[in-house]
Amino acid sequence: GAGVSQSPSNKVTEKGKDVELRCDPISGHTALYWYRQSLGQGLEFLIYFQGNSAPDKSGLPSDRFSAERTGGSVSTLTIQRTQQEDSAVYLCASSLEQGRVQDTQYFGPGTRLLVL
Amino acid sequence: KQEVTQIPAALSVPEGENLVLNCSFTDSAIYNLQWFRQDPGKGLTSLLLIQSSQREQTSGRLNASLDKSSGRSTLYIAASQPGDSATYLCAVKSGGSRLTFGEGTQLTVNP
Repeated sequence: GAGVSQSPSNKVTEKGKDVELRCDPISGHTALYWYRQSLGQGLEFLIYFQGNSAPDKSGLPSDRFSAERTGGSVSTLTIQRTQQEDSAVYLCASSLEQGRVQDTQYFGPGTRLLVL
Repeated sequence: KQEVTQIPAALSVPEGENLVLNCSFTDSAIYNLQWFRQDPGKGLTSLLLIQSSQREQTSGRLNASLDKSSGRSTLYIAASQPGDSATYLCAVKSGGSRLTFGEGTQLTVNP
């Protein structure tokens, strides 16, 4: 079946512009996660959705970052007034249901964001 | 705060060699531990997931072990092949929803 998809695969933007990154999770997966992978750093958690609600937003680095999920499916991560330090690979993952011990997170290919 | 460390950061071996990748974590109160593979420019592929109550999991030439009390996991790769070349990431789930990742081990298997 189809895996997690993300778009765009690459995005180059100018400092100060807003960007939207999209994630389509695996069909039927109720949990959705956003992570960021910066050059020379590990993956860091940004936000988690269960259905359409986001019980854990604690990883968002600033108020310039926001995310929403509609219809329990597609999610959009928005970065306003982008800064050069926002350049990273943004990865989305989904899982069948958060809270199950054996829950495996399946990752998309990521969106590579470059802020000039 | 959970911290995950992977050793070594990079490893280069000849084809056919058996190898071990190491992962350690600071908080032993985990739900599960997952090993991923990441190829250049690609997303993450899940290799093995070990629940906190388990000691090991096997998939083909891969075997992952978990010693929760000491905060350690190892990924054993038997009879390595050039196609195994990738970055291997360890991640733990320890409360809440997030995975905490190590920085990875970059493996190169030379023909």
